[in-house]
Amino acid sequence: QSVLTQPPSVSGAPGQRVTISCTGSSSNLGAGYDVHWYQQLPGTAPKFLIYANSNRPSGVPDRFSGSKSGTSASLAITGLQAEDEADYYCQSYDSSLSGSHVVFGGGTKLTVL
Amino acid sequence: QVQLQESGPGLVKPSETLSLTCTVSGGSVSSGNYYWSWIRQPPGKGLEWIGYVYYNGVTNYNPSLKSRVTISVDTSKNQFSLKLSSVTAADTAVYYCARTQVTTIFGVVVVDWFHPWGQGTLLIVSS
Repeated sequence: QSVLTQPPSVSGAPGQRVTISCTGSSSNLGAGYDVHWYQQLPGTAPKFLIYANSNRPSGVPDRFSGSKSGTSASLAITGLQAEDEADYYCQSYDSSLSGSHVVFGGGTKLTVL
Repeated sequence: QVQLQESGPGLVKPSETLSLTCTVSGGSVSSGNYYWSWIRQPPGKGLEWIGYVYYNGVTNYNPSLKSRVTISVDTSKNQFSLKLSSVTAADTAVYYCARTQVTTIFGVVVVDWFHPWGQGTLLIVSS
């Protein structure tokens, strides 16, 4: 079970807007640690998509946006395209009595209908 | 631009030690600006951070794997490596190496994001 909780799947038609949630707790997102997002196309390595909650690296279309509030974060994709069909992962940092380490969400599979 | 490439045996027997190497090109592991991580993904499952190494040998590991993991760096070869001991079938996964952005707050290292990633190498644990 992942420390960050994501819905297993979401779907949308081409051109629509979808959001993917990422829920954490007081030891990670709620402690102020940033959330980052990755896109993993089938059979490939994860690709850096959003950093520090809402920033897009160079080359990432502005159709992708991120936000964070309290213990939750979300990734929004507008103007869905077939090429957006992929798995999406959120990632943050967690600090608790058991130690400090990186945590990932379980991943969300986006299907473009 | 920086590129990372994993290499390893592909198949390891249960109870043995897994050894993987990540070769960095287009940049230097000795750059003090970044740390260097290993991340794995079991078939059909999500991502799990294994640990990181800094150019000076400083490491930090996932508490769930800490007793079996060693990550080291060889600056002369511009490589860093992963050793995972006493492997079982549960360690079968695609193993990725990645450059790691960190923030240091009052001397405490906090991992930010991973970019870029290597293409990954599949490691199967089987007799």
